[in-house]
Amino acid sequence: GAGVSQSPSNKVTEKGKDVELRCDPISGHTALYWYRQSLGQGLEFLIYFQGNSAPDKSGLPSDRFSAERTGGSVSTLTIQRTQQEDSAVYLCASSLATGQLYEQYFGPGTRLTVT
Amino acid sequence: SQKIEQNSEALNIQEGKTATLTCNYTNYSPAYLQWYRQDPGRGPVFLLLIRENEKEKRKERLKVTFDTTLKQSLFHITASQPADSATYLCALDDNAGNMLTFGGGTRLMVKP
Repeated sequence: GAGVSQSPSNKVTEKGKDVELRCDPISGHTALYWYRQSLGQGLEFLIYFQGNSAPDKSGLPSDRFSAERTGGSVSTLTIQRTQQEDSAVYLCASSLATGQLYEQYFGPGTRLTVT
Repeated sequence: SQKIEQNSEALNIQEGKTATLTCNYTNYSPAYLQWYRQDPGRGPVFLLLIRENEKEKRKERLKVTFDTTLKQSLFHITASQPADSATYLCALDDNAGNMLTFGGGTRLMVKP
C-alpha cells in the first residue's frame, strides 16, 4: 500500500512569506506527527495529532507555526512570516496510534529553504 | 533535563566487521526504545523495538540491547555491508506513552 506522502518535496520561499506543507498519512493511521530536521541534526518534534483529540502543540517553536488535520487524515503545517532559521527538512510520520509500542512511518520530507 | 545522546561522530568500519552504536539517555524511564535507519534525503525507517523487560532483541543481522540500569541501548550490526551505511537513530517514549523523542543519530560508514 501507499506510504506517507508529503508535498511539495522542495520549497524555496522568500523571508516573510507564508508556506504550507502537506502530509498524507497512511490510511487507517490515527496518529500523525510533524518533525523538523536541520542539516546534520536529529529530529525535533513539533506537533502530533491523535484521532479527534486536541493536538499536542508543545514542540512548536513559535506562534508562527500552526498545523491542522482535516477529517482525521491529511495534515497541513503552516509557517507564517518565514525566517531564515526556519530552513530545514520537515518530516511527517504516522502510526496506528500514539504510544511507544507503535512504530512511526515517515514520509520523504519537505525541504524548506528561506532566502 | 531529559537528554538522549548518540555519538555525533561518524563510525567508520570495515565490511564484515560488527558495528556497535550507542544510545545513552538521562531523566527518562522509557518502557520501550526504538531504533530507526535514515538514508540521505529520506525519512527514517523503523528497524527494531525493544521493551524494558527485554535485555536483547535480534532481527537478522541486527541486535539491540537495553540496559535500564545503565540507561543505555546498544545497536549491533554483524557482518556489516556497505549497504548498511546510513544514520541510525534511537528514540524513546515521553514517559506518557504519547510521542517519541529522537536522539541526534550516528552516521555509520561501512567500507568495502
